[in-house]
Amino acid sequence: DAGVIQSPRHEVTEMGQEVTLRCKPISGHDYLFWYRQTMMRGLELLIYFNNNVPIDDSGMPEDRFSAKMPNASFSTLKIQPSEPRDSAVYFCASSPDLDGYTFGSGTRLTVV
Amino acid sequence: GENVEQHPSTLSVQEGDSAVIKCTYSDSASNYFPWYKQELGKRPQLIIDIRSNVGEKKDQRIAVTLNKTAKHFSLHITETQPEDSAVYFCAASVNYGQNFVFGPGTRLSVLP
Repeated sequence: DAGVIQSPRHEVTEMGQEVTLRCKPISGHDYLFWYRQTMMRGLELLIYFNNNVPIDDSGMPEDRFSAKMPNASFSTLKIQPSEPRDSAVYFCASSPDLDGYTFGSGTRLTVV
Repeated sequence: GENVEQHPSTLSVQEGDSAVIKCTYSDSASNYFPWYKQELGKRPQLIIDIRSNVGEKKDQRIAVTLNKTAKHFSLHITETQPEDSAVYFCAASVNYGQNFVFGPGTRLSVLP
């Protein structure tokens, strides 16, 4: 298994632009999580899905952020419009339930 | 909601010495406590975990202890090596593999 696959690895965009981050979880994992990591706030849970259904999105900062999981093998996190304070590393993780997460390699987002 | 604190924030030890990182949690319903290691620029990786029905778990040089009464758990690394240098995150979950709350991290430096 290739693990959790995220794309792109790096993204530099201008303020106000739309940004879409992508994630392919490990096959058979029922849970998918989106985390944001910054020096100031550490690892923050943004949203998680169970069997493609969003369960808890209370961590999504504001309406500019949205996430979808149209099927078991793909999820997106979209920021529209992006702002400099959104600059962070965004991790996707998946788990088979009753076990620890496997994280993807992350997307380093820089909004200038 | 759950709150996880972690101490110390930085830790330096000599190669061969032991390192101990402590975490406390607030939600007595938490039942799963994983530890992640994150090397610079890489993804967090699960190194050990413990469930609430167990007081201690060991895997080679790494061990985790759990005190449910006091609501704290600790990571113990013995015979430290330079490759143990990384940021270590503890986490707690009320529902095993779901919705972890992470501690702020401990930066461990093992000095040769």
